[in-house]
Amino acid sequence: EVQLVESGGGLVQPGGSLRLSCAASGFTFSDYWISWIRLSPGKGLEWVAHINQDGSDKYYVDSVKGRFTVSRDNAKSSLFLQMNSLRAEDTAVYYCARLIRSAANSAHWGQGTLVTVSS
Amino acid sequence: DAVMTQSPLSLPVTLGQPASISCRSSQSLVHSDGNTYLSWFQQRPGQSPRRLFYKVSNRDSGVPDRFSGSGSGTDFTLKISRVEAEDVAIYYCMQVTHWPHTFGPGTKVDIK
Repeated sequence: EVQLVESGGGLVQPGGSLRLSCAASGFTFSDYWISWIRLSPGKGLEWVAHINQDGSDKYYVDSVKGRFTVSRDNAKSSLFLQMNSLRAEDTAVYYCARLIRSAANSAHWGQGTLVTVSS
Repeated sequence: DAVMTQSPLSLPVTLGQPASISCRSSQSLVHSDGNTYLSWFQQRPGQSPRRLFYKVSNRDSGVPDRFSGSGSGTDFTLKISRVEAEDVAIYYCMQVTHWPHTFGPGTKVDIK
């Protein structure tokens, strides 16, 4: 069974940093693109970042470019999101997700971790 | 960016009645490989999103057949033939044809 478990969320002041982690199991982690997607009350769902199988190809939504860095450790089946210069608008539940666009039963999400940016 | 819009944003429905949600993209979602990568997700209160359809109309396992997905190009529709209590949720369309992948704003379905 595919499982994705996020951790590392919490309360942080504007301008601060957090590092989110996602532990994967139940599939060969190194075979898949993995994504970070967030849900915020004001903006709904937003695809934040996307990383390929060996970490050599990464995509970011414009609003986080230069502030967030996605990375992975295939030996530990783990995904990370380093978030710097956090803003109030980054407040959201952050999900780790493996979404294969062209195959049935291939969309898996973690339970999410809440990041709150507030003074 | 492919901007996704949905209507309505709120949809109160009587149990047993049909419901329909429209999703439109600001640009064609036909990929260069010929596929249209438009998905529908359901997010029930307190749960992570669950995909219902991929490539417009392909149903994921466990999705009741009262749900259907249709459309092409820039216009897509999610229909529920007879709404049940368990269908109370927010429904999102999502495109993964173009980067950045983008979601619609969500349609909240609840019971009248």
